[in-house]
Amino acid sequence: DAGVIQSPRHEVTEMGQEVTLRCKPISGHNSLFWYRQTMMRGLELLIYFNNNVPIDDSGMPEDRFSAKMPNASFSTLKIQPSEPRDSAVYFCATLREPHGNTIYFGEGSWLTVV
Amino acid sequence: AQSVTQLGSHVSVSEGALVLLRCNYSSSVPPYLFWYVQYPNQGLQLLLKYTTGATLVKGINGFEAEFKKSETSFHLTKPSAHMSDAAEYFCAVSEKAGTALIFGKGTTLSVSS
Repeated sequence: DAGVIQSPRHEVTEMGQEVTLRCKPISGHNSLFWYRQTMMRGLELLIYFNNNVPIDDSGMPEDRFSAKMPNASFSTLKIQPSEPRDSAVYFCATLREPHGNTIYFGEGSWLTVV
Repeated sequence: AQSVTQLGSHVSVSEGALVLLRCNYSSSVPPYLFWYVQYPNQGLQLLLKYTTGATLVKGINGFEAEFKKSETSFHLTKPSAHMSDAAEYFCAVSEKAGTALIFGKGTTLSVSS
């Protein structure tokens, strides 16, 4: 059974460019979470979806960040325009509701904005 | 609001020694508690979890944790450390099944020979 698949694994981009991170959840998992990991702030929840609907986006840092889940098998996190302080590892994680209580993480997308 | 405090950002032990990583939580309802491990350049992997029932839970790789409601703690232990245990460990809490996890800042475990 394939796990959570994220792409790209690594991205280096220049300040001001648009960045799109992608996530394919585990088949049958209907909740999806985007987390950001930095040395300073640790793991922060950015947004989470249930059945493709955003439930809590209070962690999205600012309007430059947006996330979508157009269908059950795909989600994107977009940063436009990117800034150096956005450099971090972005994790996608998924869960099968209502009975599951274990969240499974992808390998992460390592973003560097120069 | 929920929160997690991990005491000690870095713990060093010798191979074969006891591992103790501390976690205290704050939650307004009976919590679900988790420990995840992160190896370098990898995602997070579930070590163990407490939802209901027995307060001592056993996980993978010989780790276990005990939920102590009176102390609002969920400390992670392993009787004998192995070099391969060197990693970063995260404690997390959620208020009900299926909701987002709130993570602690993490504890880096170093194991020396």
